[in-house]
Amino acid sequence: EDQVTQSPEALRLQEGESSSLNCSYTVSGLRGLFWYRQDPGKGPEFLFTLYSAGEEKEKERLKATLTKKESFLHITAPKPEDSATYLCAVRTMKTSYDKVIFGPGTSLSVIP
Amino acid sequence: DGGITQSPKYLFRKEGQNVTLSCEQNLNHDAMYWYRQDPGQGLRLIYYSQIVNDFQKGDIAEGYSVSREKKESFPLTVTSAQKNPTAFYLCASGSELEVEQYFGPGTRLTVT
Repeated sequence: EDQVTQSPEALRLQEGESSSLNCSYTVSGLRGLFWYRQDPGKGPEFLFTLYSAGEEKEKERLKATLTKKESFLHITAPKPEDSATYLCAVRTMKTSYDKVIFGPGTSLSVIP
Repeated sequence: DGGITQSPKYLFRKEGQNVTLSCEQNLNHDAMYWYRQDPGQGLRLIYYSQIVNDFQKGDIAEGYSVSREKKESFPLTVTSAQKNPTAFYLCASGSELEVEQYFGPGTRLTVT
């Protein structure tokens, strides 16, 4: 069964304390893995798409990496404004429609 | 500005009433999607449409209905048959050229 899990469920960091969020997936026929940022009461904001193992993408303090079974979102020297829920999703190839499966998210709090 | 709009932001209804949530996009995307988000769970797909005048059920379509009469618009009706309608509803769109989806700001529906 296609599945996406994320860990930890919640993460509390001091400002400047670097860490990583994990997204593990078991799907057949990966078309892409996505990271989104979601602020409370708002829609998810697209961050990255990764297509194949070994690929890396960066944006400001965020860096996303991909292996055959998981993806990491590395946050370097986080600031309070990085506090949000980070969602991981994968797009799989199906017969009639590419299905997108979302993980439950990691809630990140960065304390000044 | 290109984007996705959803209205209203907050919606309150009494049990037994049907309610329609609006979603409009000016990104010229062919595909549009409706998701439901509940605390601690990943986004779950309600309905999707890959082209005007055509739509397909997602994983949790029971108690919901949609229409796609225009490329820009994909309204969702939450009917009285939906047993637990209180949730945060997200509309998204995407194109053939990009694998990622882009989200609107969401509508929070409360049914009492």
